[in-house]
Amino acid sequence: EDQVTQSPEALRLQEGESSSLNCSYTVSGLRGLFWYRQDPGKGPEFLFTLYSAGEEKEKERLKATLTKKESFLHITAPKPEDSATYLCAVTSGGSNYKLTFGKGTLLTVNP
Amino acid sequence: DGGITQSPKYLFRKEGQNVTLSCEQNLNHDAMYWYRQDPGQGLRLIYYSQIVNDFQKGDIAEGYSVSREKKESFPLTVTSAQKNPTAFYLCASLDGESEAFFGQGTRLTVV
Repeated sequence: EDQVTQSPEALRLQEGESSSLNCSYTVSGLRGLFWYRQDPGKGPEFLFTLYSAGEEKEKERLKATLTKKESFLHITAPKPEDSATYLCAVTSGGSNYKLTFGKGTLLTVNP
Repeated sequence: DGGITQSPKYLFRKEGQNVTLSCEQNLNHDAMYWYRQDPGQGLRLIYYSQIVNDFQKGDIAEGYSVSREKKESFPLTVTSAQKNPTAFYLCASLDGESEAFFGQGTRLTVV
């Protein structure tokens, strides 16, 4: 069974203070690793999909990377509007399209 | 615009009632999903469907039922057997392993 663990559970940063969120996974043949952002009371917003170790994707202040065991979401010079819960999810060859999520990291960026 | 539409946004259920949550997508995605999110919690998978007329139980399927008669539609029924239905319900669709998008959610409350 696929497992996804995100850390830390919560992270507080000052505006401009760069950091990284972690998503470690255990799957039988990774098909895709997904990152989302979720604001309170709303549906998750799609950010990235990564497929193979070594792959990287960027969007504004966010950069996602992937290894064989984990993914990092790097946040460079964050702003208060980056405050949200960041969710990680996987699909695998052994799961038949099952999309399994971690519990998320609540990021707060103070001005 | 392509996307996923969930309705209603808010729903109130009396004890012993069945209620149905709607999820429609015009993205031509094959796979669709239903998740439940409780306060401060991650997303827990209820049911998912890879193709029309086929669906699989997720991690918390008891007390819920689904149908997939059309590619565009994946309604979720919360039955009276679900003892603690108050939660935020999210529907998603996935295009192969490339992109997965969510609706804006339905907040269900038992009154």
